[in-house]
Amino acid sequence: EPEVTQTPSHQVTQMGQEVILRCVPISNHLYFYWYRQILGQKVEFLVSFYNNEISEKSEIFDDQFSVERPDGSNFTLKIRSTKLEDSAMYFCASSVSGLYNEQFFGPGTRLTVL
Amino acid sequence: GDSVTQMEGPVTLSEEAFLTINCTYTATGYPSLFWYVQYPGEGLQLLLKATKADDKGSNKGFEATYRKETTSFHLEKGSVQVSDSAVYFCALRNSGNTPLVFGKGTRLSVIA
Repeated sequence: EPEVTQTPSHQVTQMGQEVILRCVPISNHLYFYWYRQILGQKVEFLVSFYNNEISEKSEIFDDQFSVERPDGSNFTLKIRSTKLEDSAMYFCASSVSGLYNEQFFGPGTRLTVL
Repeated sequence: GDSVTQMEGPVTLSEEAFLTINCTYTATGYPSLFWYVQYPGEGLQLLLKATKADDKGSNKGFEATYRKETTSFHLEKGSVQVSDSAVYFCALRNSGNTPLVFGKGTRLSVIA
C-alpha cells in the first residue's frame, strides 16, 4: 500500500543552524502539507502546497520557513535558522486533491534544537 | 478560531474494557469531524469521519457520532484489544479545502 515517507526520523541540531526535513508524498497525490506538534501540545497546520506554490499558510509559517518540491518526488521543509521553540514533531501529509479528500500522513520527523 | 479539545491522557485500560475518549469542538459553520490514530512508529491514519450532524462514523469496532447540539464527537469502542494501543487525535475541517485542526491527542494503553 502506498505511504508517505519522511526522513530523517530524528534530527538534532544546534540553535541557529539550518535544517531540511524531507518527505516523499504518495506518487499520484497533488496536494502536500506540513503540520507540527510541539510536545504536549496540539498538532498545528503549517503550510499547504499545490501546483508548485504555497496555497495556504498559518501564522506559524514565517520567513524562517520555506517549502519546496525540488523534483518529482520529494517535498521539503526548510527552517533557515532554528530556534529552541522549533523543537517538535513535524508531519508531512499528501492528498489526491484538496477538496474533501483524505490526507495521508507520514510517520513524522522529531526535530530537537539544542 | 476553530478548535478541538479532547480528554487528557494517558488512558490505561484492560483488554476487553469499554473505551470512551471525549472530544468537543468549536467551529463556525458545519465542519467535518475526524478521528485519526497513530500507532508507534507510524504516521497519522484516518480512523473514521462524519461530515454532518447525527452521522455516525465507524471503523475497526470504533464509533463516533457527530452531535451538533453538544458540539461533540466522542470516540467509543465496546471491547478494546492490546493492538488498539496508540495515540488518538480528534480533528475537524471546516470546509473542503481548509487545513485540519487537531486536538492534542490521547494516548491509550491496553494491557492484557
